[in-house]
Amino acid sequence: NAGVTQTPKFQVLKTGQSMTLQCAQDMNHNSMYWYRQDPGMGLRLIYYSASEGTTDKGEVPNGYNVSRLNKREFSLRLESAAPSQTSVYFCASSEGVVRTRSTDTQYFGPGTRLTVL
Amino acid sequence: AQTVTQSQPEMSVQEAETVTLSCTYDTSESDYYLFWYKQPPSRQMILVIRQEAYKQQNATENRFSVNFQKAAKSFSLKISDSQLGDAAMYFCAYRSSEYTGNQFYFGTGTSLTVIP
Repeated sequence: NAGVTQTPKFQVLKTGQSMTLQCAQDMNHNSMYWYRQDPGMGLRLIYYSASEGTTDKGEVPNGYNVSRLNKREFSLRLESAAPSQTSVYFCASSEGVVRTRSTDTQYFGPGTRLTVL
Repeated sequence: AQTVTQSQPEMSVQEAETVTLSCTYDTSESDYYLFWYKQPPSRQMILVIRQEAYKQQNATENRFSVNFQKAAKSFSLKISDSQLGDAAMYFCAYRSSEYTGNQFYFGTGTSLTVIP
């Protein structure tokens, strides 16, 4: 049981290049999330997918697109990378079932360190 | 939007001693959930402990416990018998009880150093 996995672990891009960050979970969770972590700013939500087939914007969606490929996989795409997108990116998943008194704890992947030159 | 504040960017503790990390939050909701996550140098975010606001009893997990003061909107983490492996960045997080998928708010973190 691997939990949440992310690839790649490290990536260096030049300005204007594109790339896709991959995320997969094996916990049969309904909801998945993409965050970015910058020094002194904690984690900020980029996009989330409440359930398979749905995606919604979070706090900082500009410059990103997502795809919920199936229940297990949720990818984040940078179409034209910019230096401001240099960050550590985390994928997370949660059960996401709406029921009374559900904490809906999020479980995180190991992160991807992205540098845009 | 709710805000989560961690006013201590850095803390240190002697090995085997006790340390308390502070967290306050701002909300108009009466029902919500609070979490502490640990992020070691490996960068993985690891759940430490969680608290449901409707429960008056403070959550505990082995050496980790919380002091939840709902009226003061305070949620501190106490680490007892600190170990070298506790050295990490600790994040406080808030989640609304109304599930919409983006209702998770994180503080800016407290970096904990454990001194041998």
